[in-house]
Amino acid sequence: AQTVTQSQPEMSVQEAETVTLSCTYDTSESNYYLFWYKQPPSRQMILVIRQEAYKQQNATENRFSVNFQKAAKSFSLKISDSQLGDTAMYFCAFIERIAGTASKLTFGTGTRLQVTL
Amino acid sequence: GAVVSQHPSWVICKSGTSVKIECRSLDFQATTMFWYRQFPKQSLMLMATSNEGSKATYEQGVEKDKFLINHASLTLSTLTVTSAHPEDSSFYICSALLLISSSYNEQFFGPGTRLTVL
Repeated sequence: AQTVTQSQPEMSVQEAETVTLSCTYDTSESNYYLFWYKQPPSRQMILVIRQEAYKQQNATENRFSVNFQKAAKSFSLKISDSQLGDTAMYFCAFIERIAGTASKLTFGTGTRLQVTL
Repeated sequence: GAVVSQHPSWVICKSGTSVKIECRSLDFQATTMFWYRQFPKQSLMLMATSNEGSKATYEQGVEKDKFLINHASLTLSTLTVTSAHPEDSSFYICSALLLISSSYNEQFFGPGTRLTVL
């Protein structure tokens, strides 16, 4: 069974600074996807970034980038130039890449990020 | 695109009554939808996988008779909490699966429903 671990329950960063959220996972699969989801106070789940395991290049979406270390099973999220609107709960998630099937997402326990002035 | 709605967004009911929550994919068809439960300050817990035209698949420990799921069309899945009790109070989130490519599909989440059982 896959597991996703987020070891930082809470983090704080000042506006305009950079913060890195950690995530490790455990799987015996070789083909999978990793995600970071953001859940702001509205509680709407928002996909921040996606990484395909077979791609070596780290995914980037504007101010958000990941450091994907497949051998170490590590998938950290870096938020640059933090903004107040980045304040949210962040979940790391994993899914197997199996064509034609509806695989289930496995979520980590989450990291609550507070961006301060 | 890929918008998922839930209705109601918030519901209060008396203990012993049943509550139905709807999950709709507004601009795409979804043969598969998922239902999650989230307690305060915790992660999402998958309750069941809802498949159009067939029975839902429930996760271990989830009572099938208490949480009835119906996926009667390609755009609508419903979760009915039967004989609700205060311990059923929670935030319920659905997601709908969109086929992006032959080897990848992605879940799009609804805004959630807050259930309070008095």
